[in-house]
Amino acid sequence: AQTVTQSQPEMSVQEAETVTLSCTYDTSESDYYLFWYKQPPSRQMILVIRQEAYKQQNATENRFSVNFQKAAKSFSLKISDSQLGDAAMYFCAYDPKTSYDKVIFGPGTSLSVIP
Amino acid sequence: GAVVSQHPSWVICKSGTSVKIECRSLDFQATTMFWYRQFPKQSLMLMATSNEGSKATYEQGVEKDKFLINHASLTLSTLTVTSAHPEDSSFYICSAELSMGPGTGELFFGEGSRLTVL
Repeated sequence: AQTVTQSQPEMSVQEAETVTLSCTYDTSESDYYLFWYKQPPSRQMILVIRQEAYKQQNATENRFSVNFQKAAKSFSLKISDSQLGDAAMYFCAYDPKTSYDKVIFGPGTSLSVIP
Repeated sequence: GAVVSQHPSWVICKSGTSVKIECRSLDFQATTMFWYRQFPKQSLMLMATSNEGSKATYEQGVEKDKFLINHASLTLSTLTVTSAHPEDSSFYICSAELSMGPGTGELFFGEGSRLTVL
């Protein structure tokens, strides 16, 4: 069965600094999606970044980038130049393309940004 | 991006009553929507997959008679918590995936609904 693990329940970062959130997953599939979703205090989940497993190039979205290590089944999120608005819960998610669209979410990492 | 609207955002009800939560895709069609439950400081727990025009698929341990799901159109899915009890108090979230065009896997989430059962 697929699983998603986030080993850091809480993280903090100084404003303008860089922080990396960890995520590992377990699957026997070769093609799938990986996501990082953000849930701010308002509680609405929004997509931060998306990676397709068959693409070797790491995805980037402005200040957000990932380090995708397929063999190691690792998918970490790097936030550069952290801003106060980055404070939120971050969920790593795995989407098995070949299965019936059932996304698996990790337990989440609560990120605090210190002014 | 695609917008999913969820209503109401919060509701308080008496024990024993039923509560209906709506999830609408505003600018796209969604043949499949998902309902999640989230406890404080925890991850999303998938409750059921809502399929337009057919019965919902419930996850193991979720009572289908307690949580009624109806997906009557391509833009609307409803979750009805029947005979609600205090233990049903939680944050309920819906999501949808684009039905048309190349799949990206991205889920679009509603704002969530906080249910408090007195």
